[in-house]
Amino acid sequence: NAGVMQNPRHLVRRRGQEARLRCSPMKGHSHVYWYRQLPEEGLKFMVYLQKENIIDESGMPKERFSAEFPKEGPSILRIQQVVRGDSAAYFCASSPRPHNSNQPQHFGDGTRLSIL
Amino acid sequence: SQQGEEDPQALSIQEGENATMNCSYKTSINNLQWYRQNSGRGLVHLILIRSNEREKHSGRLRVTLDTSKKSSSLLITASRAADTASYFCATDSYNQAGTALIFGKGTTLSVSS
Repeated sequence: NAGVMQNPRHLVRRRGQEARLRCSPMKGHSHVYWYRQLPEEGLKFMVYLQKENIIDESGMPKERFSAEFPKEGPSILRIQQVVRGDSAAYFCASSPRPHNSNQPQHFGDGTRLSIL
Repeated sequence: SQQGEEDPQALSIQEGENATMNCSYKTSINNLQWYRQNSGRGLVHLILIRSNEREKHSGRLRVTLDTSKKSSSLLITASRAADTASYFCATDSYNQAGTALIFGKGTTLSVSS
């Protein structure tokens, strides 16, 4: 029973390029959450998606960042025209029911994004 | 927005000792969860305590919740070197529609043999 799968594990981009981060939730999970973690910090919520719908994107920057969770395939977090400040670890989590159902979230091992 | 704050930021103990970490938060919650993160890895869920619960156990873990003080503690008994990790509390509020877990900055635990 595979857990949450994120790829790539490490991604290096130059300033101005695009970064695409992928997340396959656990089998049977239709709720996906993206978080960002800076060094020595906790995780900061970015966006919460259900299949084909963005439920809450209040934690995501208004520009350059977008997320999707299509009917088929993984969830994608896309960062356009990356800047040095985008360097961080990006974690995806999934759950079988909505976040406020008194249940844990299951996390992937993250994608570490480095901007040169 | 509400945020869990863990205390202490770092804790160093010997194997066999107990480790206690505390977490404070600001607003009413639906539940509070504790997660562990090993270096370079994702978070692993440890325990969830609901707002109407006061104490919960899981193996060597004991979590307490005091909603009047808006605080929680995580106790790890008889610690092992493998417990070395960062520990985060996360709060989930049903009052904040659509908002996911709010994490604190974590406590870094080092257990030496």
